[in-house]
Amino acid sequence: KNQVEQSPQSLIILEGKNCTLQCNYTVSPFSNLRWYKQDTGRGPVSLTIMTFSENTKSNGRYTATLDADTKQSSLHITASQLSDSASYICVVSSFATSGTYKYIFGTGTRLKVLA
Amino acid sequence: EAQVTQNPRYLITVTGKKLTVTCSQNMNHEYMSWYRQDPGLGLRQIYYSMNVEVTDKGDVPEGYKVSRKEKRNFPLILESPSPNQTSLYFCASSFNPPTGRDTEAFFGQGTRLTVV
Repeated sequence: KNQVEQSPQSLIILEGKNCTLQCNYTVSPFSNLRWYKQDTGRGPVSLTIMTFSENTKSNGRYTATLDADTKQSSLHITASQLSDSASYICVVSSFATSGTYKYIFGTGTRLKVLA
Repeated sequence: EAQVTQNPRYLITVTGKKLTVTCSQNMNHEYMSWYRQDPGLGLRQIYYSMNVEVTDKGDVPEGYKVSRKEKRNFPLILESPSPNQTSLYFCASSFNPPTGRDTEAFFGQGTRLTVV
């Protein structure tokens, strides 16, 4: 069964600290992996997209890594800010029986940054 | 400004009363989809549309209908809402279906629906 699991479920850190969020997937065949940021009550916004051949990608203070062999990804946030408080969702794209690719969403990690 | 617009943002309704949640995008995207988000569960796809007049079921289509008469609009219809359809709903659009290349999906702001 195609699944995307994220850990931890929630995380509290102090402003200025770094943190790393984990994503493990059992999706086959794999197409690409995305990290989204979702502020409370708002729609998800894309942070990074990585294909099979990419093992790291950065977007400002956000750096995503991908290990396609172990089927793991991480999102590292550097020098956290209060505005980083949000849910972070890992999304894996796979091939559906209808002939198109589909998204498989993780349940997200809820990050709270404290002043 | 490129965006996906959903309306309403919040809705409380009673069981059995038909309702429609509208979704509109201004990016000329061909692929549009609806998701529901429930606590402890990832977003689950309800329906998607590859283009005008082309729609198909996602993972949880029961109790929902959609239509795609125009490229920019993709309304979600609940003919007879039930309490188990209480959820947070998101509409999303992209140029292409999720493919191996970079195809970013843009999400609307969400519609919080409560069915009592």
